[in-house]
Amino acid sequence: GAVVSQHPSWVICKSGTSVKIECRSLDFQATTMFWYRQFPKQSLMLMATSNEGSKATYEQGVEKDKFLINHASLTLSTLTVTSAHPEDSSFYICSASSFSGNTIYFGEGSWLTVV
Amino acid sequence: LAKTTQPISMDSYEGQEVNITCSHNNIATNDYITWYQQFPSQGPRFIIQGYKTKVTNEVASLFIPADRKSSTLSLPRVSLSDTAVYYCLVGDEGSARQLTFGSGTQLTVLP
Repeated sequence: GAVVSQHPSWVICKSGTSVKIECRSLDFQATTMFWYRQFPKQSLMLMATSNEGSKATYEQGVEKDKFLINHASLTLSTLTVTSAHPEDSSFYICSASSFSGNTIYFGEGSWLTVV
Repeated sequence: LAKTTQPISMDSYEGQEVNITCSHNNIATNDYITWYQQFPSQGPRFIIQGYKTKVTNEVASLFIPADRKSSTLSLPRVSLSDTAVYYCLVGDEGSARQLTFGSGTQLTVLP
Protein backbone atom coordinates (compact mmCIF):
# COMPACT_ATOMS: atom_id res chain seq x y z
CA GLY A 1 0.00 0.00 0.00
CA ALA A 2 0.87 3.65 -0.02
CA VAL A 3 3.75 4.69 2.22
CA VAL A 4 4.34 7.92 4.03
CA SER A 5 7.66 8.37 5.74
CA GLN A 6 8.71 10.83 8.40
CA HIS A 7 12.17 11.88 9.43
CA PRO A 8 13.54 12.00 12.01
CA SER A 9 11.75 9.44 14.15
CA TRP A 10 12.86 11.26 17.25
CA VAL A 11 14.79 14.43 17.95
CA ILE A 12 16.00 16.23 21.02
CA CYS A 13 16.70 19.92 20.78
CA LYS A 14 17.59 22.72 23.12
CA SER A 15 15.04 25.30 24.13
CA GLY A 16 15.09 28.26 21.76
CA THR A 17 16.36 26.37 18.74
CA SER A 18 14.42 25.28 15.67
CA VAL A 19 13.87 21.77 14.42
CA LYS A 20 12.57 20.50 11.09
CA ILE A 21 10.52 17.36 10.53
CA GLU A 22 10.09 15.95 7.04
CA CYS A 23 7.14 14.07 5.65
CA ARG A 24 7.47 12.21 2.35
CA SER A 25 5.03 10.27 0.27
CA LEU A 26 7.15 7.47 -1.13
CA ASP A 27 5.03 5.92 -3.86
CA PHE A 28 2.39 8.47 -4.71
CA GLN A 29 2.04 12.18 -5.27
CA ALA A 30 0.41 13.93 -2.37
CA THR A 31 -1.57 17.02 -3.20
CA THR A 32 -2.50 17.49 0.42
CA MET A 33 -0.61 16.70 3.58
CA PHE A 34 -1.80 17.09 7.14
CA TRP A 35 0.17 17.69 10.30
CA TYR A 36 -0.99 16.48 13.72
CA ARG A 37 0.38 16.52 17.20
CA GLN A 38 -0.43 13.98 19.85
CA PHE A 39 0.24 14.15 23.56
CA PRO A 40 0.56 10.93 25.56
CA LYS A 41 -2.73 9.09 26.06
CA GLN A 42 -4.57 11.65 23.95
CA SER A 43 -6.01 11.67 20.47
CA LEU A 44 -4.45 13.30 17.43
CA MET A 45 -5.02 17.01 17.03
CA LEU A 46 -4.95 18.48 13.55
CA MET A 47 -2.51 21.37 13.38
CA ALA A 48 -2.57 22.37 9.74
CA THR A 49 -3.34 21.34 6.20
CA SER A 50 -0.61 21.69 3.65
CA ASN A 51 -1.37 21.98 -0.06
CA GLU A 52 1.40 21.71 -2.60
CA GLY A 53 2.41 25.09 -3.92
CA SER A 54 0.27 27.16 -1.59
CA LYS A 55 0.22 28.37 1.97
CA ALA A 56 -0.79 26.02 4.70
CA THR A 57 -4.11 26.36 6.46
CA TYR A 58 -3.74 26.34 10.21
CA GLU A 59 -6.28 25.21 12.74
CA GLN A 60 -7.53 27.66 15.31
CA GLY A 61 -5.07 28.14 18.11
CA VAL A 62 -2.04 26.95 16.16
CA GLU A 63 0.60 29.63 15.71
CA LYS A 64 1.59 29.76 12.06
CA ASP A 65 4.79 31.68 12.84
CA LYS A 66 5.88 29.04 15.29
CA PHE A 67 4.98 25.97 13.24
CA LEU A 68 6.22 26.69 9.74
CA ILE A 69 4.91 24.36 7.09
CA ASN A 70 6.31 24.06 3.60
CA HIS A 71 4.92 21.81 0.88
CA ALA A 72 7.28 22.55 -1.98
CA SER A 73 6.76 19.39 -3.96
CA LEU A 74 4.15 16.70 -4.42
CA THR A 75 6.14 14.29 -2.29
CA LEU A 76 7.52 16.41 0.51
CA SER A 77 6.14 18.58 3.28
CA THR A 78 8.15 19.93 6.17
CA LEU A 79 7.17 21.16 9.61
CA THR A 80 9.61 23.48 11.34
CA VAL A 81 9.11 24.15 15.02
CA THR A 82 10.74 27.52 15.59
CA SER A 83 12.11 28.73 18.91
CA ALA A 84 11.09 25.47 20.50
CA HIS A 85 10.10 25.31 24.14
CA PRO A 86 9.57 22.32 26.44
CA GLU A 87 5.81 22.59 26.01
CA ASP A 88 6.30 21.87 22.30
CA SER A 89 7.53 18.42 23.20
CA SER A 90 5.10 16.03 21.60
CA PHE A 91 4.56 13.32 19.01
CA TYR A 92 4.13 14.90 15.58
CA ILE A 93 2.46 12.91 12.83
CA CYS A 94 1.92 13.72 9.18
CA SER A 95 -0.51 12.22 6.73
CA ALA A 96 -1.01 12.50 3.02
CA SER A 97 -3.67 11.99 0.40
CA SER A 98 -3.26 11.54 -3.33
CA PHE A 99 -5.04 13.08 -6.28
CA SER A 100 -7.68 10.39 -6.21
CA GLY A 101 -9.17 8.18 -3.57
CA ASN A 102 -10.45 8.88 -0.12
CA THR A 103 -7.79 7.22 1.93
CA ILE A 104 -5.29 9.09 4.03
CA TYR A 105 -2.00 7.44 4.90
CA PHE A 106 0.00 8.33 7.97
CA GLY A 107 3.68 8.60 8.65
CA GLU A 108 5.38 6.79 11.50
CA GLY A 109 5.43 9.90 13.65
CA SER A 110 8.26 11.97 15.09
CA TRP A 111 8.96 12.42 18.77
CA LEU A 112 10.21 15.88 19.65
CA THR A 113 11.73 16.52 23.04
CA VAL A 114 12.76 20.05 23.90
CA VAL A 115 15.16 20.35 26.82
CA LEU B 1 -17.96 18.26 10.01
CA ALA B 2 -19.30 14.96 11.18
CA LYS B 3 -18.46 14.21 14.79
CA THR B 4 -17.88 10.65 15.82
CA THR B 5 -18.61 8.94 19.10
CA GLN B 6 -17.01 5.68 20.14
CA PRO B 7 -16.69 3.75 23.39
CA ILE B 8 -13.58 4.85 25.26
CA SER B 9 -12.40 1.32 25.94
CA MET B 10 -13.20 -2.34 25.37
CA ASP B 11 -11.72 -5.56 26.67
CA SER B 12 -11.75 -8.87 24.88
CA TYR B 13 -10.06 -12.24 25.00
CA GLU B 14 -7.88 -13.87 22.44
CA GLY B 15 -9.79 -15.67 19.71
CA GLN B 16 -12.99 -13.71 20.17
CA GLU B 17 -14.68 -11.52 17.62
CA VAL B 18 -14.68 -7.84 18.56
CA ASN B 19 -17.19 -5.31 17.31
CA ILE B 20 -16.56 -1.61 17.82
CA THR B 21 -19.43 0.70 16.97
CA CYS B 22 -19.08 4.33 16.01
CA SER B 23 -21.87 6.89 15.86
CA HIS B 24 -21.78 9.64 13.25
CA ASN B 25 -25.23 11.16 13.16
CA ASN B 26 -24.25 14.14 11.03
CA ILE B 27 -22.52 12.23 8.27
CA ALA B 28 -22.76 14.01 4.94
CA THR B 29 -23.70 12.50 1.61
CA ASN B 30 -20.14 12.62 0.30
CA ASP B 31 -18.51 11.29 3.45
CA TYR B 32 -16.73 7.98 3.62
CA ILE B 33 -16.15 6.07 6.86
CA THR B 34 -12.61 5.04 7.62
CA TRP B 35 -11.14 3.12 10.51
CA TYR B 36 -7.56 3.35 11.71
CA GLN B 37 -5.50 1.44 14.24
CA GLN B 38 -2.80 3.07 16.31
CA PHE B 39 -0.15 1.47 18.46
CA PRO B 40 1.77 3.56 21.01
CA SER B 41 4.37 5.85 19.43
CA GLN B 42 3.29 4.97 15.90
CA GLY B 43 1.20 6.73 13.31
CA PRO B 44 -2.32 5.45 12.66
CA ARG B 45 -2.58 2.55 10.27
CA PHE B 46 -5.42 2.26 7.76
CA ILE B 47 -7.70 -0.70 8.43
CA ILE B 48 -10.77 -0.39 6.26
CA GLN B 49 -12.98 2.12 4.51
CA GLY B 50 -16.56 2.04 3.32
CA TYR B 51 -19.47 4.11 2.14
CA LYS B 52 -22.46 1.87 2.68
CA THR B 53 -23.52 -1.74 3.38
CA LYS B 54 -20.64 -4.09 4.11
CA VAL B 55 -16.98 -4.06 3.28
CA THR B 56 -14.56 -6.86 4.06
CA ASN B 57 -10.81 -7.17 3.68
CA GLU B 58 -8.18 -9.53 5.00
CA VAL B 59 -8.15 -8.03 8.49
CA ALA B 60 -11.63 -6.68 9.23
CA SER B 61 -15.19 -6.11 8.18
CA LEU B 62 -17.09 -2.86 8.23
CA PHE B 63 -20.85 -2.82 8.58
CA ILE B 64 -22.76 0.32 7.66
CA PRO B 65 -26.55 0.48 8.00
CA ALA B 66 -28.71 2.12 5.39
CA ASP B 67 -28.98 5.42 7.23
CA ARG B 68 -25.17 5.55 7.63
CA LYS B 69 -25.48 7.18 11.03
CA SER B 70 -23.30 4.54 12.57
CA SER B 71 -20.77 1.93 11.57
CA THR B 72 -19.32 -1.17 13.18
CA LEU B 73 -15.78 -2.41 12.82
CA SER B 74 -15.58 -6.17 13.24
CA LEU B 75 -12.28 -7.84 14.06
CA PRO B 76 -12.47 -11.63 13.81
CA ARG B 77 -10.53 -13.78 16.26
CA VAL B 78 -8.45 -11.07 17.88
CA SER B 79 -4.98 -11.72 19.21
CA LEU B 80 -2.86 -9.95 21.81
CA SER B 81 -1.24 -7.92 19.04
CA ASP B 82 -4.58 -6.33 18.24
CA THR B 83 -4.38 -4.35 21.47
CA ALA B 84 -4.41 -0.78 20.21
CA VAL B 85 -6.50 2.34 19.86
CA TYR B 86 -9.05 2.25 17.06
CA TYR B 87 -10.32 5.45 15.48
CA CYS B 88 -13.41 5.93 13.37
CA LEU B 89 -13.35 8.92 11.06
CA VAL B 90 -15.76 10.32 8.51
CA GLY B 91 -15.03 12.77 5.77
CA ASP B 92 -14.68 13.34 2.09
CA GLU B 93 -11.68 13.93 -0.10
CA GLY B 94 -12.43 17.58 -0.65
CA SER B 95 -12.65 18.55 2.98
CA ALA B 96 -9.54 20.05 4.48
CA ARG B 97 -10.72 18.91 7.87
CA GLN B 98 -11.38 15.42 6.70
CA LEU B 99 -9.68 13.74 9.54
CA THR B 100 -10.62 15.18 12.87
CA PHE B 101 -9.94 12.49 15.38
CA GLY B 102 -12.28 11.63 18.17
CA SER B 103 -11.18 9.94 21.34
CA GLY B 104 -10.86 6.51 19.76
CA THR B 105 -11.47 3.17 21.42
CA GLN B 106 -8.73 1.49 23.44
CA LEU B 107 -9.08 -2.21 22.74
CA THR B 108 -7.29 -4.47 25.19
CA VAL B 109 -7.03 -8.12 24.26
CA LEU B 110 -6.46 -10.36 27.23
CA PRO B 111 -4.90 -13.84 27.17
